[in-house]
Amino acid sequence: GAVVSQHPSRVICKSGTSVKIECRSLDFQATTMFWYRQFPKQSLMLMATSNEGSKATYEQGVEKDKFLINHASLTLSTLTVTSAHPEDSSFYICSARMGSNQPQHFGDGTRLSIL
Amino acid sequence: QQQVKQSPQSLIVQKGGISIINCAYENTAFDYFPWYQQFPGKGPALLIAIRPDVSEKKEGRFTISFNKSAKQFSLHIMDSQPGDSATYFCAASNDYKLSFGAGTTVTVRA
Repeated sequence: GAVVSQHPSRVICKSGTSVKIECRSLDFQATTMFWYRQFPKQSLMLMATSNEGSKATYEQGVEKDKFLINHASLTLSTLTVTSAHPEDSSFYICSARMGSNQPQHFGDGTRLSIL
Repeated sequence: QQQVKQSPQSLIVQKGGISIINCAYENTAFDYFPWYQQFPGKGPALLIAIRPDVSEKKEGRFTISFNKSAKQFSLHIMDSQPGDSATYFCAASNDYKLSFGAGTTVTVRA
């Protein structure tokens, strides 16, 4: 149980393109979803936290207009990287949890490459 | 500012040996300490977790030792296998967001 699916697994696109990444909890309802960014050989950096039906909370230094997060239902959150540039190339990972005091379960990540 | 310090950065162990990874934290509000295992190109997978009311938790070959007074916790991998070769992250949470350690790359030599 507690499966989180992330799609797509890999995206390669041109500079200036907007890219949408989906995160779904397949077998549970996620009250909270998290979006992380991970550079090669580094740890996970939290970008934002989203609760279903409310605006996402962004970490310091993360541009909310650049990284749009929507958590429209208890099983789906999306991250849109707007007008992506090469410096946005990274591994983006989502996680979801059923409620407070519950562990986070992670998706398999999306490798984003901006040319 | 990293709230959880993890060491070593990498380690190599022979098959059948013990891998030990250490983490330390400062925020006494943390009350949940999970360990995640990550393979290349994949997301982290929850391995084992502990809360500060116990000093040790064991699941199969994986054991967490927790020292509340020292604000330290560690992961022991017993009888290490080549399939355990991965990056391990410790983390700490106060029931909201996770703060991750820098990660330890474990290589198990056959």
